[in-house]
Amino acid sequence: EVQMWESGGGLVQPGGSLRLSCAAPKLTFNNYAMSWVRQAPGKGLEWVSVISGSGGSTYYADSVKGRFTISRDNPKSTVFLQMSSLRAEDTAIYYCAKITDFWTGYVDYWGPGTLVTVSS
Amino acid sequence: EIVLTQSPATLSLSPGERATLSCRASQSVNTFLAWYQQRPGQAPRLLIYDASNRATGIPARFSGGGSGTDFTLTISSLQPEDSAVYYCQERSNWPQTFGGGTKVEIK
Repeated sequence: EVQMWESGGGLVQPGGSLRLSCAAPKLTFNNYAMSWVRQAPGKGLEWVSVISGSGGSTYYADSVKGRFTISRDNPKSTVFLQMSSLRAEDTAIYYCAKITDFWTGYVDYWGPGTLVTVSS
Repeated sequence: EIVLTQSPATLSLSPGERATLSCRASQSVNTFLAWYQQRPGQAPRLLIYDASNRATGIPARFSGGGSGTDFTLTISSLQPEDSAVYYCQERSNWPQTFGGGTKVEIK
């Protein structure tokens, strides 16, 4: 059973920054794309960003493009999401999500989520 | 970007009844569609992939069907633990998209 867990969430002021991390130590990490999916309070699921297995390709939702950066450290089986210029509308639970394939696919494993609250 | 439209928004049924959820795509996704279940306070979990394949450990009462633009998730005999929001998702290319969800309530 693959286990993943996120860290780095918390309360931040508008305009501030946070760095989320997701560790998946039992995973053959570089074979799979990894993504971040968020869920605002009472809302549905939204893809935020994805990075390919090698790290050579990335995708960002329009809502975060230019403000968020995804990266991965394959030897350490960890993926990161650097968030800057945070806005109130970025408030959400952020889930780390393993994709079933190298680039596109389904999510077969989810972390428990970490809450990011952007408020003054 | 492919838009997935789920219906109904809410389904309220009694234990033992059959639930049928719909997901319609704005263009063909072949059979590249998944269904997820999200119980309150939990992360989603994968139920069905490639339209009709159950994920590991998913009970047989869950089944998926469809191809092209029209898909269904059927729960053959509702159990209390099936109270959740169900999302569909396509995997054509980025941006991959989720549907807006169907909430299943158990009376």
